[in-house]
Amino acid sequence: DVKVTQSSRYLVKRTGEKVFLECVQDMDHENMFWYRQDPGLGLRLIYFSYDVKMKEKGDIPEGYSVSREKKERFSLILESASTNQTSMYLCASSLAAGGIGETQYFGPGTRLLVL
Amino acid sequence: AQRVTQPEKLLSVFKGAPVELKCNYSYSGSPELFWYVQYSRQRLQLLLRHISRESIKGFTADLNKGETSFHLKKPFAQEEDSAMYYCALVTGFQKLVFGTGTRLLVSP
Repeated sequence: DVKVTQSSRYLVKRTGEKVFLECVQDMDHENMFWYRQDPGLGLRLIYFSYDVKMKEKGDIPEGYSVSREKKERFSLILESASTNQTSMYLCASSLAAGGIGETQYFGPGTRLLVL
Repeated sequence: AQRVTQPEKLLSVFKGAPVELKCNYSYSGSPELFWYVQYSRQRLQLLLRHISRESIKGFTADLNKGETSFHLKKPFAQEEDSAMYYCALVTGFQKLVFGTGTRLLVSP
């Protein structure tokens, strides 16, 4: 069974703080993703990575950065948190595949509140 | 533009009634589509994908390229089907574009 874990379920931070969200998967997946989930907006891709030290911008990368130093771990960094980054953050992973979409496996989410 | 549209934010039905959750997409190539579901206090998980053409928990979805739709259907809704449902389209390198989601509420 694929397991994707996220370091925190709830976080409260202050405006301007640097925030780290950690995600770990235990199934040797090549691809990892960070989304934010907001009511009425669905899931929006922030960044993704298809290999160690590789990263690609998603649809809403502004204000975020990522790090993937090891295959199993993908970190999302808010350099200077702002109130509009209050959201639910979901991490996901999937196998690399040859031309077809692979199932993404999601973590439980981190609900971040920026005051 | 690559886009997924779920026009209904909330769909409320009675137990035993048929259910259809609508999904329309915009994509220039050959689409690969998924339905993901999130039950209360659970993580988002795959429900079904059009490539496999299988029925999961009584749900089916047919890709209609002419109407650019991938509606999710179930003939008889159950209370345990109450959840948030997301339609998703594969774009580019394994990336997914999600719709805004439809909350299904099945009442007894």
